[in-house]
Amino acid sequence: QVQLQESGPGLVKPLETLSLNCNVSGGSISRYYWSWIRQPPGKGLEWIGYIHDSGKTNYNPSLKSRVTISGDTSKNYFSLRLTSVTAADSAVYYCARLPLGRFDPWGQGTLVTVSS
Amino acid sequence: QSALTQPASVSGSPGQAITISCTGTSTDVGGYKYVSWYQQHPGKAPKLMIYDVSNRPSGVSNRFSGSKSGNTASLTISGLQVEDEADYYCSSYTNDSTWVFGGGTKLTVL
Repeated sequence: QVQLQESGPGLVKPLETLSLNCNVSGGSISRYYWSWIRQPPGKGLEWIGYIHDSGKTNYNPSLKSRVTISGDTSKNYFSLRLTSVTAADSAVYYCARLPLGRFDPWGQGTLVTVSS
Repeated sequence: QSALTQPASVSGSPGQAITISCTGTSTDVGGYKYVSWYQQHPGKAPKLMIYDVSNRPSGVSNRFSGSKSGNTASLTISGLQVEDEADYYCSSYTNDSTWVFGGGTKLTVL
């Protein structure tokens, strides 16, 4: 079955760019929507955005000016870039497949801390 | 984009039934069938429990059920078990082609 694995730096300095990858195994990223979701420590889930293999993207309006999600169908992964990060961007970042209206499955998540 | 409204906490005893509500607006919960529910145990990734308002993925116990009335969706867990203790989140598609989550509900099984 499809499995997702997030990867990237666990520590990012304030005002720098957070970059994460989501590697997909057990299935192709083609034909589906794929999403990033985050969860600050002790808080709830926040949807960040999605990408379709056609290249179509959409983002949370509150993050839109700082977020870019891209994908590489040849290498079967998709990526998140979040610019000008602050401590408020510290969170566990999850990637998930978005087939027809639900997030399933999810990656295990990766903790990113924004600190100097 | 405002988060969907869920109660912060609910509790129940083993064997009982509980219901968690998720209130949105006509531009999200009330306007679409794409309402889903997720269970999250501490330190773990969320797990899909209900999709399209009331459908259960294979492998999810039939003790979990979902429904919707107007702008409010509900998750009901019957025959509560200790292992059901977790955080639960609802999610909905919205009219600007985005997604929104609820604030989460902590379920305690007494």
